[in-house]
Amino acid sequence: AQRVTQPEKLLSVFKGAPVELKCNYSYSGSPELFWYVQYSRQRLQLLLRHISRESIKGFTADLNKGETSFHLKKPFAQEEDSAMYYCALHAGGTSYGKLTFGQGTILTVHP
Amino acid sequence: EAGVAQSPRYKIIEKRQSVAFWCNPISGHATLYWYQQILGQGPKLLIQFQNNGVVDDSQLPKDRFSAERLKGVDSTLKIQPAKLEDSAVYLCASSLVSVGELFFGEGSRLTVL
Repeated sequence: AQRVTQPEKLLSVFKGAPVELKCNYSYSGSPELFWYVQYSRQRLQLLLRHISRESIKGFTADLNKGETSFHLKKPFAQEEDSAMYYCALHAGGTSYGKLTFGQGTILTVHP
Repeated sequence: EAGVAQSPRYKIIEKRQSVAFWCNPISGHATLYWYQQILGQGPKLLIQFQNNGVVDDSQLPKDRFSAERLKGVDSTLKIQPAKLEDSAVYLCASSLVSVGELFFGEGSRLTVL
């Protein structure tokens, strides 16, 4: 069975500080990892996926299969980054594998 | 492009009553999902449709929950009878392909008293 763990429910940083949201997973196969974000009063939406290997809104995430982690990082946090962030795992190699979400981390960026 | 539409946005019922939620996915999206999000938790998949066929309903409490996807487009999720622990936001999402980006609706918030 697949599992996603986000150890921090709340994370507070000041504007301009680096931020790292942690995500660990357990899955015996080859997973696809995603970060979804929900800004205040908006829908849950995709932020980035590991296979794209791109930076979105200054955020990056690297899949570390050895540590089974997919931490989300940004070198300089902005106030508009304040939101709920969810790490999610798709069981790779299957056609219809479900997307499993972590518990989420609320990021607050203070001015 | 119109997004995923859900209704109603809010519903308050008493335990043992029934409730139904409706979802209209993005046009052309073959895969449709219903997630349950209890306060303080991440979304949990209840059921996943590929066109009008069910591909995963392993976490759907089938004694009280049912879902269907009419003609491979709209979908309804029903709870009968509701329990207090069913209080949650019910999220509908759709994707073009089964391993693609999920597009979520605004959700339907259910309160069971």
